[in-house]
Amino acid sequence: GENVEQHPSTLSVQEGDSAVIKCTYSDSASNYFPWYKQELGKGPQLIIDIRSNVGEKKDQRIAVTLNKTAKHFSLHITETQPEDSAVYFCAASIPMYSGGGADGLTFGKGTHLIIQP
Amino acid sequence: SAVISQKPSRDICQRGTSLTIQCQVDSQVTMMFWYRQQPGQSLTLIATANQGSEATYESGFVIDKFPISRPNLTFSTLTVSNMSPEDSSIYLCSVSRGETQYFGPGTRLLVL
Repeated sequence: GENVEQHPSTLSVQEGDSAVIKCTYSDSASNYFPWYKQELGKGPQLIIDIRSNVGEKKDQRIAVTLNKTAKHFSLHITETQPEDSAVYFCAASIPMYSGGGADGLTFGKGTHLIIQP
Repeated sequence: SAVISQKPSRDICQRGTSLTIQCQVDSQVTMMFWYRQQPGQSLTLIATANQGSEATYESGFVIDKFPISRPNLTFSTLTVSNMSPEDSSIYLCSVSRGETQYFGPGTRLLVL
């Protein structure tokens, strides 16, 4: 099955600086890569995702890049703010094409992002 | 997106007992999933629940321990049976819209 590695496990950056979280995956059939933000006591919230036919996607301060050849993808957060402090999870899936549904996600172990004021 | 609610939000249970967790979605979805998140850990898929068919369990999870119901396209339940302290976790339900998955707020379970 799929295996997703995520680094670093903890990342501390100064407010206003950029943060980068990296993930690698093992199954070349994976073609959907979402990122989730989980705040304390809450469920994971989807913040951005990318599909394998795209190399980069950006949404305001958040961007994701994908390198299918190397089987890795990264989350970039620019101009970090205190509210960005949370645990971030990357994930990968091999979508089931029957009925247009999706397979379960395989998650990385998470990165605890700390924004220092 | 999808609005997902779970009940209960948290519970403290005695070992040997069972707890049923409910998941309600604001609109019809084909696929629902149940995940477990052990303290300080990542999310692990327990099973996929499709309406009208038996749930599909991942390696390491069995129906006798985690029976699942999916009576309609907006609702599912997960039961944690014969609980032990090792079952203390957050249990999350999620739904898919195409490839995108949305998660509920989770049920925080502590087994004493």
